Amino acid sequence: GAVVSQHPSRVICKSGTSVKIECRSLDFQATTMFWYRQFPKQSLMLMATSNEGSKATYEQGVEKDKFLINHASLTLSTLTVTSAHPEDSSFYICSAPRGDSEAFFGQGTRLTVV
Amino acid sequence: GDSVTQMEGPVTLSEEAFLTINCTYTATGYPSLFWYVQYPGEGLQLLLKATKADDKGSNKGFEATYRKETTSFHLEKGSVQVSDSAVYFCALSPILTGGGNKLTFGTGTQLKVEL
Repeated sequence: GAVVSQHPSRVICKSGTSVKIECRSLDFQATTMFWYRQFPKQSLMLMATSNEGSKATYEQGVEKDKFLINHASLTLSTLTVTSAHPEDSSFYICSAPRGDSEAFFGQGTRLTVV
Repeated sequence: GDSVTQMEGPVTLSEEAFLTINCTYTATGYPSLFWYVQYPGEGLQLLLKATKADDKGSNKGFEATYRKETTSFHLEKGSVQVSDSAVYFCALSPILTGGGNKLTFGTGTQLKVEL
């Protein structure tokens, strides 16, 4: 079946540095990908919609300059957390829909900013 | 806006016990409803779905019925196994879709099944 690969699965970075998270659709093309964030004991919150060939669409309250999204190709979207701070520590997960049938999720990235 | 409310966990059951995880939603129109499962260290996987009222989604012994009158989509399984231990998420999509659109999730319910 379709697979979405997300990398890295875990990352620890120093405050003030930037971290890039990759999301790849391995056996299908995805013109759209979604980025979610999950706080402990809370639901997954949609951060933004990544669109191949155009700018990402951010949800209300999400800082686009802090969370840079680039949909470089039909199989790759990246999320860069810029100038990370401890409050950015969270679980980030991407999904890629295959047509309108189903969304496939990556394994998630646990980001810890120290 | 749309929202999903599911029962808090963790839920701990003995093997072969009956499972119910409650899920209710608020949405305009006729959303599609989903249950996703997340095993330790893995991404979310679609467990089952229902796209219209009175539809029953089922997979791997799990079932959920789309109840528009009670705006609910409770997850049930008659006999759980240790391998069912995971986090379960209820979710909705605001339009008639198989899940390829952005989703609104509940908080997730952790299930632990013991021998």
